Amino acid sequence: NAGVMQNPRHLVRRRGQEARLRCSPVKGHSHVYWYRQLPEEGLKFMVYLQKENIIDESGMPKERFSAEFPKEGPSILRIQQVVRGDSAAYFCASSPQLGDEQYFGPGTRLTVT
Amino acid sequence: DQQVKQNSPSLSVQEGRISILNCDYTNSMFDYFLWYKKYPAEGPTFLISISSIKDKNEDGRFTVFLNKSAKHLSLHIVPSQPGDSAVYFCAASALVTGTASKLTFGTGTRLQVTL
Repeated sequence: NAGVMQNPRHLVRRRGQEARLRCSPVKGHSHVYWYRQLPEEGLKFMVYLQKENIIDESGMPKERFSAEFPKEGPSILRIQQVVRGDSAAYFCASSPQLGDEQYFGPGTRLTVT
Repeated sequence: DQQVKQNSPSLSVQEGRISILNCDYTNSMFDYFLWYKKYPAEGPTFLISISSIKDKNEDGRFTVFLNKSAKHLSLHIVPSQPGDSAVYFCAASALVTGTASKLTFGTGTRLQVTL
């Protein structure tokens, strides 16, 4: 009965490199959400996806960030040309239906040097 | 624009006593509220939720109260235990507007339960 899985747990990238964060939702959950937490702040919504579709990306920065949730495999949050300000904890959550409680993974801590 | 506010960054309570964590919101479209608990280096864990059609929801030692007119909710933990020491986040969403996907979080209250 695995919960939401995220990998890697820690990721270090130099400025200008790409970061790829993976999320496997709870088995049977088809709704995936990504949140970002900056130091000393609450979690901020980024994007909501269902299988093969981006439903709500109103919290995503306009450039360099993209997300996908393919038919097979995990959801991916991709950050191109990372900058120091991208350093944060990125959390993925999933739910069985829209409006249900969201179950969170352990997060990926991205550090940009 | 902080739509969900937790004005107490920290709270210390003795074991066995009641812990009361507070949360205020400004968006009148919010109609579903949740509390999450978070340990360091882990993701938030869902605790309890309440719909705006209710003013109280109880689950074991945890009770959430909602005062819609004051746009205020609180989480009561009775009795408090050392294992309750964590950061507690209040979150809200607006199911009625079709933005149920988006949880808006407060900045958290760090609870420490002392022996």
